[in-house]
Amino acid sequence: AQSVTQLGSHVSVSEGALVLLRCNYSSSVPPYLFWYVQYPNQGLQLLLKYTTGATLVKGINGFEAEFKKSETSFHLTKPSAHMSDAAEYFCAVSAFPTFGNEKLTFGTGTRLTIIP
Amino acid sequence: EAGVTQFPSHSVIEKGQTVTLRCDPISGHDNLYWYRRVMGKEIKFLLHFVKESKQDESGMPNNRFLAERTGGTYSTLKVQPAELEDSGVYFCASSQDRDKTYEQYFGPGTRLTVT
Repeated sequence: AQSVTQLGSHVSVSEGALVLLRCNYSSSVPPYLFWYVQYPNQGLQLLLKYTTGATLVKGINGFEAEFKKSETSFHLTKPSAHMSDAAEYFCAVSAFPTFGNEKLTFGTGTRLTIIP
Repeated sequence: EAGVTQFPSHSVIEKGQTVTLRCDPISGHDNLYWYRRVMGKEIKFLLHFVKESKQDESGMPNNRFLAERTGGTYSTLKVQPAELEDSGVYFCASSQDRDKTYEQYFGPGTRLTVT
């Protein structure tokens, strides 16, 4: 079984400040890891993913995340927050490498607010 | 290229009524997934189609939910009869095996309110 924990259902940062959204996962098999973002009235959009290879992955809009197996973490960061980053962010895990099933297990989401 | 579309965007029904949600995946995508988010909780997997076949329906809550994907194109999710706890946002996603990007493309969701 797999699970995802996102610490902090609401995070507020000042414009220009560092964004750090935390994600820890539990998986009995090698995971694929994803961050999705949902803007108001829109569907989920993939920000970035880790499948294999380099553990530091870069995504769209200046976001990046690092897969740390020893810490079972996949935290999302952005050096400088922009007003347009205000949205809800979801971390997800898949057991695809082992079971060939892409179904995603999501965390509860983190709503990011940017303070002008 | 058109994205995943879902209809309706909102639905308000009374307990005991029937509702049918529709999802049109991206053209050519063999995989189609349904997920649901109950307010304040995580997005949960419901089921997975590969073309017209149900690959995994382990997340379906009970037999009041029926999903179909006729001809391997669009999919419908019927709830009959609806209960209060069925309220939430229902997301559809699609993906293409052949490109091996492991990315699921999500629709905007259908917000279902059962009163």
